[in-house]
Amino acid sequence: NAGVTQTPKFRVLKTGQSMTLLCAQDMNHEYMYWYRQDPGMGLRLIHYSVGEGTTAKGEVPDGYNVSRLKKQNFLLGLESAAPSQTSVYFCASSWEDNSPLHFGNGTRLTVT
Amino acid sequence: AQTVTQSQPEMSVQEAETVTLSCTYDTSENNYYLFWYKQPPSRQMILVIRQEAYKQQNATENRFSVNFQKAAKSFSLKISDSQLGDTAMYFCAFWSAAGNKLTFGGGTRVLVKP
Repeated sequence: NAGVTQTPKFRVLKTGQSMTLLCAQDMNHEYMYWYRQDPGMGLRLIHYSVGEGTTAKGEVPDGYNVSRLKKQNFLLGLESAAPSQTSVYFCASSWEDNSPLHFGNGTRLTVT
Repeated sequence: AQTVTQSQPEMSVQEAETVTLSCTYDTSENNYYLFWYKQPPSRQMILVIRQEAYKQQNATENRFSVNFQKAAKSFSLKISDSQLGDTAMYFCAFWSAAGNKLTFGGGTRVLVKP
């Protein structure tokens, strides 16, 4: 059972570089989310999607863009990476908005 | 905006003993959901327990139970008969239809000692 799969697991970027994180879920969930985790701050919502073709901003959307062209995939893009974006990024999905989230294993991103 | 506060950054407990993690939240909503997630060193986020605010009965899941005090806006997690595999970060989280997103506390690191 794959569940939620994130790629890559680790990445190092230089300031100003761009990259895309891929999240794929095989549970036919409508809702998908991108969170970042920083020490002492728990997880903060970056962007989310309530269905194919839709996206919405979360708590900390600046510097990130997302796309949900297919129901099973949710992409997170960084157009011009900054050191403040060094973090662990988690993708999650759920059946409904109040259902428990299923999480991927996270991506550790370091921006130097 | 809803906020979730976990006031204990770290806790340690002897194997087989009980530990209680505190969580308080701030909301004006009456209908909402509360969750505890566990994050072991593997980094995987695992749902431990879920509580619906309209239910007075405290949720339990094997050795994990909650003490939900709606008036006090408190949602503590009790881990009974602690096991080495319980060593992890624990996050309290809040969801309401008004906010339409899951808000996490800062986490409590639990270390179970043999």
